[in-house]
This record gives sequence, structure tokens and C-alpha cells, in this order.
Amino acid sequence: DAKTTQPPSMDCAEGRAANLPCNHSTISGNEYVYWYRQIHSQGPQYIIHGLKNNETNEMASLIITEDRKSSTLILPHATLRDTAVYYCIAFAGGTSYGKLTFGQGTILTVHP
Amino acid sequence: NAGVTQTPKFQVLKTGQSMTLQCAQDMNHNSMYWYRQDPGMGLRLIYYSASEGTTDKGEVPNGYNVSRLNKREFSLRLESAAPSQTSVYFCASSDRPGANYGYTFGSGTRLTVV
Repeated sequence: DAKTTQPPSMDCAEGRAANLPCNHSTISGNEYVYWYRQIHSQGPQYIIHGLKNNETNEMASLIITEDRKSSTLILPHATLRDTAVYYCIAFAGGTSYGKLTFGQGTILTVHP
Repeated sequence: NAGVTQTPKFQVLKTGQSMTLQCAQDMNHNSMYWYRQDPGMGLRLIYYSASEGTTDKGEVPNGYNVSRLNKREFSLRLESAAPSQTSVYFCASSDRPGANYGYTFGSGTRLTVV
């Protein structure tokens, strides 16, 4: 699976949009971009994933650049409960037998 | 909606003791995984079971064994615990290896080896 690069930490004001970037310049054509988050001491929680097109669900939006070398996770109205470590993972489920590889992630701190 | 259930939630072992961490899922998922997370680190895969009856090593399998007891249950055994195995252990499941959607994780077992 392709390596991903994320900033170690970011801050966001409550109620504002949080935009978390991820670089995956070596991503291959069959790899999806996944986002998970881990709120303190809990198990990781799936947020969203995508291949080429932008995706949106009840939690977040995922914007993938046309060349697929980077993406941005958007939390439209961040709350204090969104403070967590966010992991960006490039993953091809069909070839990796489900072996998600977690890096260091981005620590997002939402301030009042 | 239990999802993935791990037991115990906390455990303290002495060096050399053995124990089994239990994991069960009620989502009829085919694949199950064990990860460990050390302080300030990302998760690392220990073992996985792509389907009932199969198990394979992940990134850090040394010192561990696993058993896929049935489709629901996947246990992780430490035969002779070492302080280096102090960590938080997470179990996860997914429908099948080729599926491109999210995995479900348990709430973790916090293990301390003294």
C-alpha cells in the first residue's frame, strides 16, 4: 500500500470547518483513500473512503485531487467531540487481505 | 448493536505469565484482525484471519499466537508475556478482504506486563 504523509497536528475553532490534508503521491490505481479517526483511548472509527470522486457522508466530505496524489478530509462544522487523531490510509482491499496500515496520523484539536 | 466485543478491558500480567485476549463480532463478518498500539504510535497488525479456518501473520507476530475459533471469535494468546508486550490491543473485523469499506474496531484491551 502507498505511503501517506499527514501533518502531525492541527487546530480548529469550534463551529468552523476542519480541513485535514493528506499526501499519497505513490498511490496506485486500485488503492482507495480511507480516513479513520481515534478518539482518546477508543478503537479507531471509520469515517469515509473514496477512489477518484469526491465523497460525502453524514460525518465528513472527502476531496481527492484529479491526479489522486493528495486528498483533504473536511469536517464541515467541527465540534469539541471531533478532537481526535485522524489517519489517512491508502489501501487496496482486494490485494492486501484487509491489512490496514496505520501511520502517525494528524492530531486535530478543536478549541471552544 | 454490540459490533466487536473485546475481553478483558484491562489486564496486568507478570513476566512469563500467559493469557488469552478474546474478541467476538456479531456482524457476520468473514475477516478479523488483531492490532497493537504502543503509546504515541499508530496501530500495527499482529495477525489476521481472512476467513474462518485461516490465519496469517501481520507486521509484528512474534510472541503471539491466534485462533479463529469460529466465524464470530478470534482470540490472541500470549504464551510467555514480556514487558515489551505492554500495549493496547485492538480487534477489528470486516466483511471480506476484497471489500472496500470500513472496518469495525473493538474498544481495546489495555495490557500491562510487569
